[in-house]
Amino acid sequence: GAGVSQSPRYKVAKRGQDVALRCDPISGHVSLFWYQQALGQGPEFLTYFQNEAQLDKSGLPSDRFFAERPEGSVSTLKIQRTQQEDSAVYLCASSLGLGGQNYGYTFGSGTRLTVV
Amino acid sequence: QKEVEQDPGPLSVPEGAIVSLNCTYSNSAFQYFMWYRQYSRKGPELLMYTYSSGNKEDGRFTAQVDKSSKYISLFIRDSQPSDSATYLCATSDTGRRALTFGSGTRLQVQP
Repeated sequence: GAGVSQSPRYKVAKRGQDVALRCDPISGHVSLFWYQQALGQGPEFLTYFQNEAQLDKSGLPSDRFFAERPEGSVSTLKIQRTQQEDSAVYLCASSLGLGGQNYGYTFGSGTRLTVV
Repeated sequence: QKEVEQDPGPLSVPEGAIVSLNCTYSNSAFQYFMWYRQYSRKGPELLMYTYSSGNKEDGRFTAQVDKSSKYISLFIRDSQPSDSATYLCATSDTGRRALTFGSGTRLQVQP
């Protein structure tokens, strides 16, 4: 597609519910990143994929967070037993090359998760 | 203390003004410096990218990096109401592909 597509755009979950957030990167982009952006803050890194390999998951805040990209294209971020502190915008970004620095990322518009 | 500090604003200027946005960082390993613009309910979009120290100009935008003082700046000349957005600085080092962002500065350009 023309850009990075994320779905759903908005998600309201009850505390304790599991959620799955989807990212469709730009076709052919090797690198895929997930970021979490709290209200009034900058994005914070969660995890990075190079094709289907998850090379860095150091930013995942707890073992309730899990991400996958099984075929090297679409990625899913799953949050189990959601808590109120998980409320944030979850941004997906992709880049053509192996790193985002040299080529710049293209970000999606994000999924706004509200846990009630 | 965060690795990248940025004044949250808001910063309000009249149309046509020169805008100066700034960040400081603490990690000497940072080599790549970027500025992103984020409109409300949208993802960040890359404005400027600089490697190491120096200046880079693109139209009305100029990015400056001073590694000796760990200071990053973005200047916007002849600001327009359409420039109203949140501006995020971001950095990374050569070993890690993830970006470290500042908290963003909200800019409002008044017509």
